[in-house]
Amino acid sequence: DAGVTQSPTHLIKTRGQQVTLRCSPKSGHDTVSWYQQALGQGPQFIFQYYEEEERQRGNFPDRFSGHQFPNYSSELNVNALLLGDSALYLCASSQLGGGWREQYFGPGTRLTVT
Amino acid sequence: DAKTTQPNSMESNEEEPVHLPCNHSTISGTDYIHWYRQLPSQGPEYVIHGLTSNVNNRMASLAIAEDRKSSTLILHRATLRDAAVYYCILSANAGGTSYGKLTFGQGTILTVHP
Repeated sequence: DAGVTQSPTHLIKTRGQQVTLRCSPKSGHDTVSWYQQALGQGPQFIFQYYEEEERQRGNFPDRFSGHQFPNYSSELNVNALLLGDSALYLCASSQLGGGWREQYFGPGTRLTVT
Repeated sequence: DAKTTQPNSMESNEEEPVHLPCNHSTISGTDYIHWYRQLPSQGPEYVIHGLTSNVNNRMASLAIAEDRKSSTLILHRATLRDAAVYYCILSANAGGTSYGKLTFGQGTILTVHP
């Protein structure tokens, strides 16, 4: 059973460009969350998708947007990249339910903005 | 979001027990206590969670104070593979349904000596 997969593994972009990151959830999971982890910091919640809709959002600007597909996979899009967007982007999947639901994280996509 | 407080770092010797403390004095009655860990160059990994009673699984034990204002993650016999950043997180469970947003802090860096 494949766990959470993310692509690409690494990505280098230039300021002002746009980027799309992809995530496939663990089999049987219907909820996908995205997190940003700057170097030396804990992950910060970006947003969460369920039934193809954004259900919760963290304190991130509108430059960060997402999408969830009928097969539960998800994309994270970041427009007008800034140097400060350089980070590890993590995808986590879970089953919808109460706050007890454990989340399974992927290995992340390392984004470098130059 | 209710906040957790953890020591910045702890050290242990291999095959000895490790007790990782976490304070959460503003926890609400419906918040679950989660522990995740993040090994170097990997995404976070679920360890254990609980609400009121102590919990055990194959990885660790979670001891929750009677007033729920603190908890302790117990690794019964530390191995080198347990060296990681350990995060104590409160997950809201409002109204029986929560999308499970995780708010990570800085965590505790656990060093295990051979």
